[in-house]
Amino acid sequence: DAGVIQSPRHEVTEMGQEVTLRCKPISGHDYLFWYRQTMMRGLELLIYFNNNVPIDDSGMPEDRFSAKMPNASFSTLKIQPSEPRDSAVYFCASSPPGGEYTGELFFGEGSRLTVL
Amino acid sequence: GEDVEQSLFLSVREGDSSVINCTYTDSSSTYLYWYKQEPGAGLQLLTYIFSNMDMKQDQRLTVLLNKKDKHLSLRIADTQTGDSAIYFCGYSGGYQKVTFGTGTKLQVIP
Repeated sequence: DAGVIQSPRHEVTEMGQEVTLRCKPISGHDYLFWYRQTMMRGLELLIYFNNNVPIDDSGMPEDRFSAKMPNASFSTLKIQPSEPRDSAVYFCASSPPGGEYTGELFFGEGSRLTVL
Repeated sequence: GEDVEQSLFLSVREGDSSVINCTYTDSSSTYLYWYKQEPGAGLQLLTYIFSNMDMKQDQRLTVLLNKKDKHLSLRIADTQTGDSAIYFCGYSGGYQKVTFGTGTKLQVIP
């Protein structure tokens, strides 16, 4: 079975450019999460969705960040305009419906973003 | 993040036991987790414990929970070079949202 798929794996861009990160969750999972990993702050939850609806976006750093989930099999995280402090690894994770809940999140391999 | 604290680095010799510690602040946490991140990969669930338990053992892994002190530990017996990774402590309040710590990088010296 395919796991969570993220693209691109690596992105290098210049300050001020728009960045779009993409995620395909595991089929049948109805929760989707976006996390950001940095050395200083560890793993931070940015936003999560349930059945394509954003539930909690309190972790989104500022208005430059936006996330969408137009359907059950696709989500995007957009940064516009990007800044050097946005450099991090961005992870997407999904989890199955509550009835099967064991607390396990299934993570993608991450998108490493470098903003110059 | 700041709700979950872990030391950043631990170095042990192959064959020794490793103990990774974590403290958390949320007293409403229902599930507590240990995830493992290998280089260049996402996190994978290693083990979890319910907040009404104080110990869980799974082969070489032992999880200890001190709910009064909000302290969670992961002991890895007979540590192997393949155990080298970053270990994340996390908790949730009974729903899917998981709050993680900064991660502890475990280095196993052959």
